[in-house]
Amino acid sequence: AQTVTQSQPEMSVQEAETVTLSCTYDTSENNYYLFWYKQPPSRQMILVIRQEAYKQQNATENRFSVNFQKAAKSFSLKISDSQLGDTAMYFCAFMKPYSGNTPLVFGKGTRLSVIA
Amino acid sequence: EPEVTQTPSHQVTQMGQEVILRCVPISNHLYFYWYRQILGQKVEFLVSFYNNEISEKSEIFDDQFSVERPDGSNFTLKIRSTKLEDSAMYFCASSEAGRDTQYFGPGTRLTVL
Repeated sequence: AQTVTQSQPEMSVQEAETVTLSCTYDTSENNYYLFWYKQPPSRQMILVIRQEAYKQQNATENRFSVNFQKAAKSFSLKISDSQLGDTAMYFCAFMKPYSGNTPLVFGKGTRLSVIA
Repeated sequence: EPEVTQTPSHQVTQMGQEVILRCVPISNHLYFYWYRQILGQKVEFLVSFYNNEISEKSEIFDDQFSVERPDGSNFTLKIRSTKLEDSAMYFCASSEAGRDTQYFGPGTRLTVL
C-alpha cells in the first residue's frame, strides 16, 4: 500500500519570504500523480498544484512550485513571496496510476503559519 | 467557477441515529468520492462511485455506510447507526471523466453525542 509522509507538523514563515514543505511517499508504481492541497481555516480543501510522475519538469503555479525527485520519492512544495492568506494546513497526496476514479492517499499535513 | 457543494455544514446527532450527508458534485463530473477527516488527523478515503455503483471502498466503509445518487445532481452518504467515533469532517469530491484531479466540497462536520 502506498504511504505519504509529511515530516513537518508545523512551520512558520515571515510574510514575503520563501518556505518549503516536505513530502515523501512510498510506492512500487512507476506512473502516478502527486498533489498538494491547501486547507485554510474555513476547512475547504483547495488544489494547489499537481505533478505527473512521468513528467520530469517540475510543476509551477504562480508562487507555488514543486521539487519532484522521483528516485528519492520526494515531492516538496515551495511557496515564494508568502502571503498571510497562505496560512493553512497543507496536505500532500498520492494517486496510483489513474483508472477512472482512483482514490487519493493523503499525508498527515503541515500547518503553515505566515507571520506579518 | 463550478464548485462542489455540501449540506449541511454541521450536523449534530445522537449516537445510534441515522444521518444523511448530501453533496452536489460539479455538473459534468462523473466520478464521486467521500473522504473523512477526524479532527487533527489526515484525510482518509471512504468510497468512490461511478455509474451508480461503488468502484472502490476502504476498510472504514463498513456495513453501516452506504452511498447513493438518488437523482441527477445529488450524491449522498448515509450512516445507519452513528457511533461516537464517526464524529469527523466528511468531504465529498468529484472529478471529470479522464481527469485525475479531484475537486472537494467544503465538508460537513458531523458531531455524534
